[in-house]
Amino acid sequence: NAGVMQNPRHLVRRRGQEARLRCSPMKGHSHVYWYRQLPEEGLKFMVYLQKENIIDESGMPKERFSAEFPKEGPSILRIQQVVRGDSAAYFCASSPPSAAGNTIYFGEGSWLTVV
Amino acid sequence: SQKIEQNSEALNIQEGKTATLTCNYTNYSPAYLQWYRQDPGRGPVFLLLIRENEKEKRKERLKVTFDTTLKQSLFHITASQPADSATYLCALGGSSASKIIFGSGTRLSIRP
Repeated sequence: NAGVMQNPRHLVRRRGQEARLRCSPMKGHSHVYWYRQLPEEGLKFMVYLQKENIIDESGMPKERFSAEFPKEGPSILRIQQVVRGDSAAYFCASSPPSAAGNTIYFGEGSWLTVV
Repeated sequence: SQKIEQNSEALNIQEGKTATLTCNYTNYSPAYLQWYRQDPGRGPVFLLLIRENEKEKRKERLKVTFDTTLKQSLFHITASQPADSATYLCALGGSSASKIIFGSGTRLSIRP
């Protein structure tokens, strides 16, 4: 039973390019969370999605960032026109549908470096 | 705004002693609180969950307390081992489908 799969694990982009990070949740999980982590800092919430629906995007920057979780396929976090400050580890987590108090399971992260 | 605070300084403990980590929160009434472990370069791994109506939870050498009046959780590792060295993250969640927010973590080092 595979865990949460994220790819790519490492991504290098030049300023102004686009970065696409993918997350395949655990089997049976319909909820996905994205977090950003800067070096020596905690996890900052970005967005919480279920299939075809954004539940909470209060942590997403207003510009350049978007996320989706289509009916089929992985969840995608898209960063347009990347800047150096976007360099960070991006973690995806998934949980089963519903009731509060579900454990969320993390992937191993995607490390974005903007040069 | 909601805020979670964990010991900002690293905690260094002698092997065999009990390590105690603190998580304080403000402007929030969580339905549950979780603790995660994170090793360098890896994703966080779930350890324990405690609900708002529970005072204490145990799992092997781990113990978590939850005081909703003080708005504080304590996380204890008894008989600590060097393999327990990692960053420990506190996380809070609400009563309905809602985001889970994390503290900045406490780095724990257990010296032999």
